[in-house]
Amino acid sequence: KAGVTQTPRYLIKTRGQQVTLSCSPISGHRSVSWYQQTPGQGLQFLFEYFSETQRNKGNFPGRFSGRQFSNSRSEMNVSTLELGDSALYLCASSSAPGRVGTEAFFGQGTRLTVV
Amino acid sequence: AQTVTQSQPEMSVQEAETVTLSCTYDTSESDYYLFWYKQPPSRQMILVIRQEAYKQQNATENRFSVNFQKAAKSFSLKISDSQLGDAAMYFCAYRRRANFGNEKLTFGTGTRLTIIP
Repeated sequence: KAGVTQTPRYLIKTRGQQVTLSCSPISGHRSVSWYQQTPGQGLQFLFEYFSETQRNKGNFPGRFSGRQFSNSRSEMNVSTLELGDSALYLCASSSAPGRVGTEAFFGQGTRLTVV
Repeated sequence: AQTVTQSQPEMSVQEAETVTLSCTYDTSESDYYLFWYKQPPSRQMILVIRQEAYKQQNATENRFSVNFQKAAKSFSLKISDSQLGDAAMYFCAYRRRANFGNEKLTFGTGTRLTIIP
């Protein structure tokens, strides 16, 4: 069974540009969550999707957005990039959100560098 | 809001010895999950162990075990017979229990574990 796949693995963008990151969950998983990891702020929750609906959102500006498709694949978009958006972006999927015995499986992340 | 605190930024242990990583958390909820995740240099977060707050028995997974003290809001991870492959960043995480639609994990700042051969 394939794990969580994030593409691309590495990305370099210029300030002011926008970027789209992709996450394919484990087959059969319908919940996808996104996290930002930086040395200064640590791991911070961005948002969570289930069945194409955003169910939870972290404390990030509106430049950060996401969506989920009918096949559970998810994308996140960051517009008007700032230097502070440089981070490792992690995606996690789970099969039955919130229920006992489920856990989040993480992808290897996308390393975004803004120059 | 829930918070998770890991007060040990770095720890080291001799190979084959035992090490304990500390974690405390703050929540007003009575039902929740606690996790330890490992992040090796490959950057992929790997679940090490999970504890349901309603269970009094401490979780164990092979060489990994926890000491869950609900009243004290403490959740430490013990690694026995440390191996070189255990070297990684370890994160303690909290998740509120809900029937549906709450996968948000709140993470601590992490503890970097070094294994000395």
